Amino acid sequence: KQEVTQIPAALSVPEGENLVLNCSFTDSAIYNLQWFRQDPGKGLTSLLLIQSSQREQTSGRLNASLDKSSGRSTLYIAASQPGDSATYLCAVINTGNQFYFGTGTSLTVIP
Amino acid sequence: NAGVTQTPKFQVLKTGQSMTLQCAQDMNHEYMSWYRQDPGMGLRLIHYSVGAGITDQGEVPNGYNVSRSTTEDFPLRLLSAAPSQTSVYFCASSYSHRWTTEAFFGQGTRLTVV
Repeated sequence: KQEVTQIPAALSVPEGENLVLNCSFTDSAIYNLQWFRQDPGKGLTSLLLIQSSQREQTSGRLNASLDKSSGRSTLYIAASQPGDSATYLCAVINTGNQFYFGTGTSLTVIP
Repeated sequence: NAGVTQTPKFQVLKTGQSMTLQCAQDMNHEYMSWYRQDPGMGLRLIHYSVGAGITDQGEVPNGYNVSRSTTEDFPLRLLSAAPSQTSVYFCASSYSHRWTTEAFFGQGTRLTVV
C-alpha cells in the first residue's frame, strides 16, 4: 500500500522567507503527483500537477519537483506572504487513478 | 463553470439515521471519488467510480454506499449513521486518462453524528 509522508507537520516562518515543504512516498510506480492547498474549513485547491515524466512544475512563486526514483517531491515557495498561510497536501496518483494523500504541512507566515 | 458541487455543507444526524451526500460535477470527468478527512489521518478514499455504472471500494468503504447513474452525479449514502462517521467528506473528480489526472475537489460536507 502506498504510504505518503509530509515533513514537517507544521512550519512557521517570517514573511519574505523562502521555504521548502517535503513529501515522500513508498511506491515509486506512480502516474503523477499533485500538490494542494487547504484553507481552514475549506476544500482543496489544486496548486501544481507533476506528471511522472516531468521533474518539475512552476506556477508563480511556487515550484514543485519530483524524483520518482527516490520517492520524493518538494514544494518550494518563494518570498512567502501571510496569504500563503494554509495546509499544504501532496497526493500521489497510482495506477487506476487512485490518489494517496499525505497528512499535510500546516504553514503559518508571520507578518 | 461550477466545478464540483457538494450539498449539504453541514449536517447533523442522530445515530442510526440515513442520509445521502450529493456530489455533482460539470466538467465531464469520468473519474469521481469520495474521501473522508479526519484529524491526523489525512484524506482516505471511501468509494470511487471510473464512469457511469461502474463503482468500486476504496480504503474505508464500510457503512457507505454509492451509485453512478450519470457522468455528472456521484451520491454517497450513509446507511445507518454512527458516531465514527463524524468527519468532513470531500468529493473529487478528474479525467481518467493518465496524463490529465488533475483532481478537482468540492468544498466539503461537515457531518456530525450524535
